Amino acid sequence: AQKVTQAQTEISVVEKEDVTLDCVYETRDTTYYLFWYKQPPSGELVFLIRRNSFDEQNEISGRYSWNFQKSTSSFNFTITASQVVDSAVYFCALIMMDSSYKLIFGSGTRLLVRP
Amino acid sequence: DGGITQSPKYLFRKEGQNVTLSCEQNLNHDAMYWYRQDPGQGLRLIYYSQIVNDFQKGDIAEGYSVSREKKESFPLTVTSAQKNPTAFYLCASTSRGNGPARYEQYFGPGTRLTVT
Repeated sequence: AQKVTQAQTEISVVEKEDVTLDCVYETRDTTYYLFWYKQPPSGELVFLIRRNSFDEQNEISGRYSWNFQKSTSSFNFTITASQVVDSAVYFCALIMMDSSYKLIFGSGTRLLVRP
Repeated sequence: DGGITQSPKYLFRKEGQNVTLSCEQNLNHDAMYWYRQDPGQGLRLIYYSQIVNDFQKGDIAEGYSVSREKKESFPLTVTSAQKNPTAFYLCASTSRGNGPARYEQYFGPGTRLTVT
Protein backbone atom coordinates (compact mmCIF):
# COMPACT_ATOMS: atom_id res chain seq x y z
CA ALA A 1 0.00 0.00 0.00
CA GLN A 2 1.06 3.57 -0.60
CA LYS A 3 1.37 5.45 2.64
CA VAL A 4 3.10 8.46 4.15
CA THR A 5 3.66 8.78 7.88
CA GLN A 6 4.55 11.97 9.70
CA ALA A 7 4.77 10.85 13.30
CA GLN A 8 5.37 14.32 14.73
CA THR A 9 2.02 16.00 15.14
CA GLU A 10 3.36 19.25 16.52
CA ILE A 11 6.81 20.68 17.18
CA SER A 12 7.57 23.86 19.09
CA VAL A 13 10.99 25.52 18.95
CA VAL A 14 12.51 28.83 19.84
CA GLU A 15 13.65 31.07 17.02
CA LYS A 16 17.13 30.26 15.66
CA GLU A 17 16.93 26.62 16.69
CA ASP A 18 17.33 23.94 14.03
CA VAL A 19 14.40 21.60 13.56
CA THR A 20 13.90 18.38 11.62
CA LEU A 21 10.56 17.15 10.37
CA ASP A 22 10.35 13.41 9.78
CA CYS A 23 8.67 11.64 6.89
CA VAL A 24 8.50 7.89 6.31
CA TYR A 25 6.84 6.42 3.25
CA GLU A 26 5.71 3.09 1.83
CA THR A 27 5.33 2.37 -1.86
CA ARG A 28 5.26 -0.54 -4.28
CA ASP A 29 6.56 1.58 -7.13
CA THR A 30 10.21 1.39 -8.14
CA THR A 31 10.08 4.87 -9.60
CA TYR A 32 8.35 7.47 -7.51
CA TYR A 33 8.43 11.06 -6.42
CA LEU A 34 8.25 12.62 -2.99
CA PHE A 35 7.23 16.15 -2.12
CA TRP A 36 7.17 18.60 0.74
CA TYR A 37 4.53 21.31 0.96
CA LYS A 38 4.13 24.16 3.43
CA GLN A 39 0.69 25.30 4.57
CA PRO A 40 0.80 28.71 6.29
CA PRO A 41 -2.19 29.95 8.29
CA SER A 42 -3.74 31.34 5.10
CA GLY A 43 -4.36 27.74 4.01
CA GLU A 44 -2.76 27.60 0.59
CA LEU A 45 -0.28 24.78 0.02
CA VAL A 46 3.11 26.01 -1.11
CA PHE A 47 5.34 23.61 -3.02
CA LEU A 48 8.81 23.29 -1.48
CA ILE A 49 10.58 20.40 -3.15
CA ARG A 50 10.22 17.38 -5.41
CA ARG A 51 12.61 14.42 -5.18
CA ASN A 52 12.67 11.36 -7.39
CA SER A 53 13.57 7.89 -6.24
CA PHE A 54 16.77 7.76 -8.29
CA ASP A 55 18.37 10.76 -6.70
CA GLU A 56 19.53 10.26 -3.13
CA GLN A 57 21.67 13.34 -2.96
CA ASN A 58 20.77 15.69 -0.18
CA GLU A 59 19.44 19.03 -1.28
CA ILE A 60 19.91 22.42 0.31
CA SER A 61 17.99 25.57 -0.45
CA GLY A 62 18.90 28.42 1.83
CA ARG A 63 17.92 27.45 5.37
CA TYR A 64 16.07 24.38 4.12
CA SER A 65 17.64 21.00 3.53
CA TRP A 66 16.27 17.57 2.74
CA ASN A 67 17.69 14.14 3.50
CA PHE A 68 16.37 11.34 1.31
CA GLN A 69 17.32 7.81 2.38
CA LYS A 70 15.89 5.01 0.30
CA SER A 71 17.24 2.35 2.65
CA THR A 72 15.02 3.61 5.46
CA SER A 73 12.22 4.97 3.23
CA SER A 74 12.60 8.39 4.76
CA PHE A 75 12.58 11.90 3.39
CA ASN A 76 13.31 14.26 6.26
CA PHE A 77 13.22 18.03 6.15
CA THR A 78 15.47 20.28 8.24
CA ILE A 79 15.08 24.00 8.82
CA THR A 80 18.27 25.64 10.04
CA ALA A 81 18.10 28.73 12.24
CA SER A 82 14.31 28.70 12.31
CA GLN A 83 12.34 31.92 12.07
CA VAL A 84 8.85 32.88 13.21
CA VAL A 85 7.76 32.97 9.55
CA ASP A 86 8.50 29.26 9.34
CA SER A 87 5.50 28.57 11.57
CA ALA A 88 3.13 26.50 9.47
CA VAL A 89 1.91 22.97 8.85
CA TYR A 90 4.29 20.96 6.71
CA PHE A 91 3.12 18.03 4.60
CA CYS A 92 5.14 15.25 3.08
CA ALA A 93 3.53 13.56 0.06
CA LEU A 94 4.11 10.66 -2.31
CA ILE A 95 2.76 10.51 -5.83
CA MET A 96 0.80 7.55 -7.12
CA MET A 97 2.50 6.40 -10.31
CA ASP A 98 -0.74 5.27 -11.95
CA SER A 99 -3.09 7.12 -14.27
CA SER A 100 -4.26 9.43 -11.49
CA TYR A 101 -0.89 10.80 -10.36
CA LYS A 102 -2.67 11.74 -7.17
CA LEU A 103 -0.74 12.78 -4.10
CA ILE A 104 -0.82 10.66 -0.95
CA PHE A 105 -0.33 13.03 1.96
CA GLY A 106 0.93 12.47 5.45
CA SER A 107 -1.12 13.94 8.26
CA GLY A 108 1.21 16.92 8.55
CA THR A 109 3.47 18.38 11.23
CA ARG A 110 2.53 21.68 12.80
CA LEU A 111 5.66 23.74 13.47
CA LEU A 112 5.50 26.62 15.90
CA VAL A 113 8.53 28.87 16.07
CA ARG A 114 8.43 31.11 19.14
CA PRO A 115 10.28 34.42 19.25
CA ASP B 1 0.03 36.34 -13.07
CA GLY B 2 -0.68 32.67 -13.61
CA GLY B 3 -2.33 30.73 -10.87
CA ILE B 4 -5.35 28.99 -9.45
CA THR B 5 -8.28 30.89 -8.02
CA GLN B 6 -10.93 29.49 -5.74
CA SER B 7 -13.95 31.42 -4.67
CA PRO B 8 -15.28 32.23 -2.24
CA LYS B 9 -12.72 31.94 0.56
CA TYR B 10 -15.46 31.20 3.13
CA LEU B 11 -18.83 29.65 2.38
CA PHE B 12 -21.74 28.99 4.72
CA ARG B 13 -24.71 26.79 3.87
CA LYS B 14 -27.65 25.21 5.57
CA GLU B 15 -27.85 21.47 5.78
CA GLY B 16 -29.71 19.95 2.86
CA GLN B 17 -28.57 22.52 0.31
CA ASN B 18 -26.23 21.77 -2.57
CA VAL B 19 -23.30 24.14 -2.95
CA THR B 20 -20.79 24.60 -5.79
CA LEU B 21 -17.17 25.56 -5.20
CA SER B 22 -15.35 27.31 -7.98
CA CYS B 23 -11.85 26.49 -9.24
CA GLU B 24 -10.25 28.32 -12.17
CA GLN B 25 -6.69 28.09 -13.46
CA ASN B 26 -4.85 30.07 -16.13
CA LEU B 27 -1.72 27.92 -16.11
CA ASN B 28 -2.81 25.96 -19.17
CA HIS B 29 -2.62 22.82 -17.06
CA ASP B 30 -4.30 19.67 -18.30
CA ALA B 31 -5.02 17.90 -15.04
CA MET B 32 -7.04 19.25 -12.13
CA TYR B 33 -7.78 17.83 -8.69
CA TRP B 34 -10.06 18.42 -5.73
CA TYR B 35 -8.87 17.56 -2.24
CA ARG B 36 -10.59 17.76 1.10
CA GLN B 37 -8.76 18.63 4.33
CA ASP B 38 -10.15 18.01 7.80
CA PRO B 39 -8.57 19.43 10.98
CA GLY B 40 -5.34 17.69 11.91
CA GLN B 41 -5.38 15.53 8.82
CA GLY B 42 -3.73 15.42 5.46
CA LEU B 43 -5.51 15.98 2.20
CA ARG B 44 -7.71 13.35 0.62
CA LEU B 45 -8.60 13.19 -3.06
CA ILE B 46 -12.24 13.71 -4.03
CA TYR B 47 -12.17 13.85 -7.85
CA TYR B 48 -9.65 14.45 -10.58
CA SER B 49 -9.71 15.22 -14.28
CA GLN B 50 -6.92 14.61 -16.75
CA ILE B 51 -8.61 16.19 -19.76
CA VAL B 52 -11.71 18.16 -20.67
CA ASN B 53 -14.99 16.25 -20.49
CA ASP B 54 -13.42 13.45 -18.48
CA PHE B 55 -13.08 12.99 -14.74
CA GLN B 56 -12.52 10.17 -12.27
CA LYS B 57 -13.54 9.48 -8.69
CA GLY B 58 -10.91 9.75 -6.02
CA ASP B 59 -10.87 8.16 -2.60
CA ILE B 60 -13.84 10.00 -1.08
CA ALA B 61 -16.14 10.88 -4.00
CA GLU B 62 -19.44 9.98 -2.36
CA GLY B 63 -21.69 13.01 -1.98
CA TYR B 64 -19.72 15.10 -4.46
CA SER B 65 -19.98 15.80 -8.19
CA VAL B 66 -17.80 17.63 -10.70
CA SER B 67 -17.74 18.79 -14.30
CA ARG B 68 -14.92 19.67 -16.69
CA GLU B 69 -16.43 21.51 -19.63
CA LYS B 70 -13.46 23.84 -20.05
CA LYS B 71 -9.76 23.28 -19.52
CA GLU B 72 -9.57 26.22 -17.14
CA SER B 73 -12.46 25.29 -14.88
CA PHE B 74 -13.22 22.37 -12.57
CA PRO B 75 -16.17 23.19 -10.26
CA LEU B 76 -17.03 20.91 -7.35
CA THR B 77 -20.60 20.47 -6.12
CA VAL B 78 -21.11 19.34 -2.55
CA THR B 79 -24.50 17.68 -2.49
CA SER B 80 -26.88 17.11 0.38
CA ALA B 81 -25.83 13.46 0.28
CA GLN B 82 -22.42 14.31 1.70
CA LYS B 83 -22.69 13.39 5.38
CA ASN B 84 -19.98 15.66 6.78
CA PRO B 85 -19.44 18.48 4.29
CA THR B 86 -17.82 20.97 6.65
CA ALA B 87 -14.15 21.04 5.66
CA PHE B 88 -11.45 22.95 3.83
CA TYR B 89 -11.46 22.26 0.09
CA LEU B 90 -8.38 22.68 -2.07
CA CYS B 91 -8.15 22.62 -5.82
CA ALA B 92 -4.90 21.75 -7.60
CA SER B 93 -3.62 21.46 -11.13
CA THR B 94 -0.63 20.08 -12.95
CA SER B 95 0.68 20.08 -16.49
CA ARG B 96 1.08 16.85 -18.40
CA GLY B 97 4.11 17.89 -20.37
CA ASN B 98 7.46 16.15 -20.42
CA GLY B 99 9.85 15.99 -17.51
CA PRO B 100 9.40 15.45 -13.78
CA ALA B 101 7.76 18.85 -13.33
CA ARG B 102 4.63 17.26 -14.67
CA TYR B 103 4.16 15.65 -11.27
CA GLU B 104 4.14 18.94 -9.36
CA GLN B 105 0.70 19.97 -8.25
CA TYR B 106 -0.01 23.64 -7.70
CA PHE B 107 -2.74 24.53 -5.25
CA GLY B 108 -5.32 27.25 -5.00
CA PRO B 109 -6.00 29.22 -1.79
CA GLY B 110 -8.85 26.93 -0.76
CA THR B 111 -12.49 27.36 0.24
CA ARG B 112 -13.57 26.80 3.82
CA LEU B 113 -17.11 25.39 3.77
CA THR B 114 -19.26 25.38 6.88
CA VAL B 115 -22.61 23.61 6.83
CA THR B 116 -24.97 24.04 9.78
